[in-house]
Amino acid sequence: DVKVTQSSRYLVKRTGEKVFLECVQDMDHENMFWYRQDPGLGLRLIYFSYDVKMKEKGDIPEGYSVSREKKERFSLILESASTNQTSMYLCASSFSGSRYEQYFGPGTRLTVT
Amino acid sequence: KQEVTQIPAALSVPEGENLVLNCSFTDSAIYNLQWFRQDPGKGLTSLLLIQSSQREQTSGRLNASLDKSSGRSTLYIAASQPGDSATYLCAVSNSGNTPLVFGKGTRLSVIA
Repeated sequence: DVKVTQSSRYLVKRTGEKVFLECVQDMDHENMFWYRQDPGLGLRLIYFSYDVKMKEKGDIPEGYSVSREKKERFSLILESASTNQTSMYLCASSFSGSRYEQYFGPGTRLTVT
Repeated sequence: KQEVTQIPAALSVPEGENLVLNCSFTDSAIYNLQWFRQDPGKGLTSLLLIQSSQREQTSGRLNASLDKSSGRSTLYIAASQPGDSATYLCAVSNSGNTPLVFGKGTRLSVIA
């Protein structure tokens, strides 16, 4: 069974704090993704990575950075958290190629106060 | 830019009914299409993946079809149950390494 885990289910942080969200997958997937999900806006891609130390900006990268030092781990960093970054954050991973599904973690509900 | 639309946004049906959820996409040059289920406050669970060369995929009571030329996919759920209540999302990929583009989902309620 593919497993994608995220470091926290719920997180509360203060404005201006540096926030780290961790994602780990155990299936040797090349691709990893970070999305945020907001009511009425759906899932939006923040960053993705198709190999170690590689990263690509998604649709809404502003205010975020990422790190992928090891194949199994993809971290999302909020450099200085703001209230408009309150959201559900979802990590996903997959192999490359059309035959392969994308698998999601359970999500982290982040609240910035 | 690829856009994915799901209609209706919400659907309520009595238990036992067969139902169809719709998904349309603007760029027919897709690599694959994936249907997901999401329960409130949870992550996404993959239901079915259809590669661009395929016409349909089946898993239990679920059947997904793909018509690339018309930019449409449908998810058919047979004999619906209250446990099927969830949001169903459709997503497409335009190549093996590009991220999925998601629709906003259809929120399904199956009433006992």
